Amino acid sequence: EPEVTQTPSHQVTQMGQEVILRCVPISNHLYFYWYRQILGQKVEFLVSFYNNEISEKSEIFDDQFSVERPDGSNFTLKIRSTKLEDSAMYFCASRYQGPQHFGDGTRLSIL
Amino acid sequence: DQQVKQNSPSLSVQEGRISILNCDYTNSMFDYFLWYKKYPAEGPTFLISISSIKDKNEDGRFTVFLNKSAKHLSLHIVPSQPGDSAVYFCAASSTGTASKLTFGTGTRLQVTL
Repeated sequence: EPEVTQTPSHQVTQMGQEVILRCVPISNHLYFYWYRQILGQKVEFLVSFYNNEISEKSEIFDDQFSVERPDGSNFTLKIRSTKLEDSAMYFCASRYQGPQHFGDGTRLSIL
Repeated sequence: DQQVKQNSPSLSVQEGRISILNCDYTNSMFDYFLWYKKYPAEGPTFLISISSIKDKNEDGRFTVFLNKSAKHLSLHIVPSQPGDSAVYFCAASSTGTASKLTFGTGTRLQVTL
């Protein structure tokens, strides 16, 4: 069964550094999403992406965040200058018409 | 922001019995509801969904019930199996919002032998 894959599984970064989280959505999916889950908290929506542009973003998704679909397969989330509070699990999801399918996440640890 | 609430953080059920997980929502614009299961170190896995035009949807051992007037949905698992032990998330979305999901806090289900 096709699945969403995310790399790396764990990223450790110094505060203030840039980080790029990578996702390969399911190949025929058209809608792409990023969510995050801070330890002990809910899964929170960050951004949705369709037709090569952001369709919706949350208040969390400020100017430090950006997304890109650089080719036909990858979908990336960039955090320009990481803060301690960016430490979380980041989940990528994709969908065609039905439910969203999630990757296994990237654990981002900011030191 | 408590638009989707799962008031039971944990539930323990014996193997073979019914597991009932509950979820409440406050946003009347939600019209599509989903249940996801999550194992440690994995992402949420889609289980079952229901549109607001229905009040029940069944898929094998899993049934979701929706009570729109009460803004309440529930997931029934019958019979419960040890492999069902996981965290279950209720999620909701509304048409026209790029289908972003709003999640509950999750209920940890433990199915005992």
